[in-house]
Amino acid sequence: DGGITQSPKYLFRKEGQNVTLSCEQNLNHDAMYWYRQDPGQGLRLIYYSQIVNDFQKGDIAEGYSVSREKKESFPLTVTSAQKNPTAFYLCASSGTSGNEQFFGPGTRLTVL
Amino acid sequence: GQQLNQSPQSMFIQEGEDVSMNCTSSSIFNTWLWYKQDPGEGPVLLIALYKAGELTSNGRLTAQFGITRKDSFLNISASIPSDVGIYFCAGQPRINAGNMLTFGGGTRLMVKP
Repeated sequence: DGGITQSPKYLFRKEGQNVTLSCEQNLNHDAMYWYRQDPGQGLRLIYYSQIVNDFQKGDIAEGYSVSREKKESFPLTVTSAQKNPTAFYLCASSGTSGNEQFFGPGTRLTVL
Repeated sequence: GQQLNQSPQSMFIQEGEDVSMNCTSSSIFNTWLWYKQDPGEGPVLLIALYKAGELTSNGRLTAQFGITRKDSFLNISASIPSDVGIYFCAGQPRINAGNMLTFGGGTRLMVKP
């Protein structure tokens, strides 16, 4: 089945540790995105990539890093520099034919 | 950046009632999308609108792209308990903006049993 997968669903980390969230898609989409969602809030863009080996900062990139070495994969690293990392993280992708973004199931990160 | 104002922020409705929510912007948008998010899950695309004045249905859902291109609304007819969730509008403010979307703050729908 075509779709976007994120793993793990739940992630716990100690303060000060870096953590990497996985996002994989088999939709053959060129563009991929990472969003952060806080309780009761909308989606805020962290990073996006329109093509392999290229990515751009979104509205809240500080404390995060990404890579795009393969078309199918767009991992997000939450670094120790992110002051408030506990949140729900959503990955999305879109093709070149339209503006519709399709989302993965999300990863809930809790930093203890 | 671009702002989308979505209203209402939350609503309680009786099962069987019709629901209406909308998004407005001070800027022109070329695309309007409506998503639904269940608790703990990713948003699912419900309806996509690409032309001013366009009216599109998906089952009990109907959405319209405003004539001014600065607003959109979503209607749900004969609501049922599984309609519970958060509905987000999203729009693309200009052509070839790298498929970037601006999201509204969401409308939380709660249905009385």
